[in-house]
Amino acid sequence: ETGVTQSPTHLIKTRGQQVTLRCSSQSGHNTVSWYQQALGQGPQFIFQYYREEENGRGNFPPRFSGLQFPNYSSELNVNALELDDSALYLCASSFGGRALGDNEQFFGPGTRLTVL
Amino acid sequence: QQPVQSPQAVILREGEDAVINCSSSKALYSVHWYRQKHGEAPVFLMILLKGGEQKGHEKISASFNEKKQQSSLYLTASQLSYSGTYFCGTESIMNRDDKIIFGKGTRLHILP
Repeated sequence: ETGVTQSPTHLIKTRGQQVTLRCSSQSGHNTVSWYQQALGQGPQFIFQYYREEENGRGNFPPRFSGLQFPNYSSELNVNALELDDSALYLCASSFGGRALGDNEQFFGPGTRLTVL
Repeated sequence: QQPVQSPQAVILREGEDAVINCSSSKALYSVHWYRQKHGEAPVFLMILLKGGEQKGHEKISASFNEKKQQSSLYLTASQLSYSGTYFCGTESIMNRDDKIIFGKGTRLHILP
């Protein structure tokens, strides 16, 4: 059974640029959630994708967008990067979509984004 | 609304017990507990559901008080490997679209 993988591991961008982060979900999982974790803070929910459709969104602006592919892997895109976007971005896969409360999530190792 | 965790940090000696609390202002459907070691991804510990029983495995257990909207994580006879930051994540009954909202975490450091 393959775990959750994310790429790249680290990324450095400048303000105003755009970035795409990738996540491969665990085998058998159909749901991917994305989180932003600032240093010393808990993960903050960005959005969730279930069977290729957005299934819930946290308090993030529209410049944060995503996709889920037929194989349930996912991308997180951030446009017009700001300094405050510097954080660890985590994706988590699970099975069940809206019934997330009943299901454990498996987190990937994260992508460390630095915006200069 | 973000759940509140207490204490913010705790230092123990190996073999001592710890309790980490998580409280919410909203009626909860579920509480999730995760542990994250420095530089690593959060690792799932357990889920407690409304109406469910206290859960646990080995020396780590948790309870969920639905009336108080509180959950507590109990670490018994702590081991060095228990060091890390513990997060609770909550899902409210009223708005399941909130998904999982995590607290700021409790840093636990176990000394030999």
